Amino acid sequence: AQSVAQPEDQVNVAEGNPLTVKCTYSVSGNPYLFWYVQYPNRGLQFLLKYITGDNLVKGSYGFEAEFNKSQTSFHLKKPSALVSDSALYFCAVRLGSNDYKLSFGAGTTVTVRA
Amino acid sequence: DGGITQSPKYLFRKEGQNVTLSCEQNLNHDAMYWYRQDPGQGLRLIYYSQIVNDFQKGDIAEGYSVSREKKESFPLTVTSAQKNPTAFYLCASSIGGPVRNTEAFFGQGTRLTVV
Repeated sequence: AQSVAQPEDQVNVAEGNPLTVKCTYSVSGNPYLFWYVQYPNRGLQFLLKYITGDNLVKGSYGFEAEFNKSQTSFHLKKPSALVSDSALYFCAVRLGSNDYKLSFGAGTTVTVRA
Repeated sequence: DGGITQSPKYLFRKEGQNVTLSCEQNLNHDAMYWYRQDPGQGLRLIYYSQIVNDFQKGDIAEGYSVSREKKESFPLTVTSAQKNPTAFYLCASSIGGPVRNTEAFFGQGTRLTVV
């Protein structure tokens, strides 16, 4: 079975400081990993994904994520956070097999204070 | 204007009534998904479909039903058997077929309130 864990319910940082949102996954094969962001009462917006190749993936709005196979992690990072980055962030995993099942973590609320 | 359309945005129903949530996409995607979102629980998969006339149960399918008669449409029915139907429901789609590494695109959601 595939699953995703986001160990932190909330992350609070000051504007201009680095932002990290943690994600660990559990799958029996090679995973496809995704990060999404959600603003209040809206759908999810895609930020970035890891398929294969470079462990550091760059995405939208200055976000990047680092895939670590030995630690089964895919942490989202931004070098300098903005107040407008305050939102709910979700990590997701799809097993690279015939199944299209896409599983999400519980989400992490990010608050960036001015 | 391509995308996924969920309707209505807000839906109110009396307890014991079935209700159907609409999801339409014009992205020519094969795979479609329904998720339920509750505060603090993230997105939980209800049903997903990899191709027309085929669908699989997700993690919380009890009390829900779906159909996939057309590629563009994946309606979700919340039946009276669903014990706690009040939630935010999200529909998504992805390319599908032999391509499994693409991201999913989401609709804007339907907030269902059962009174």
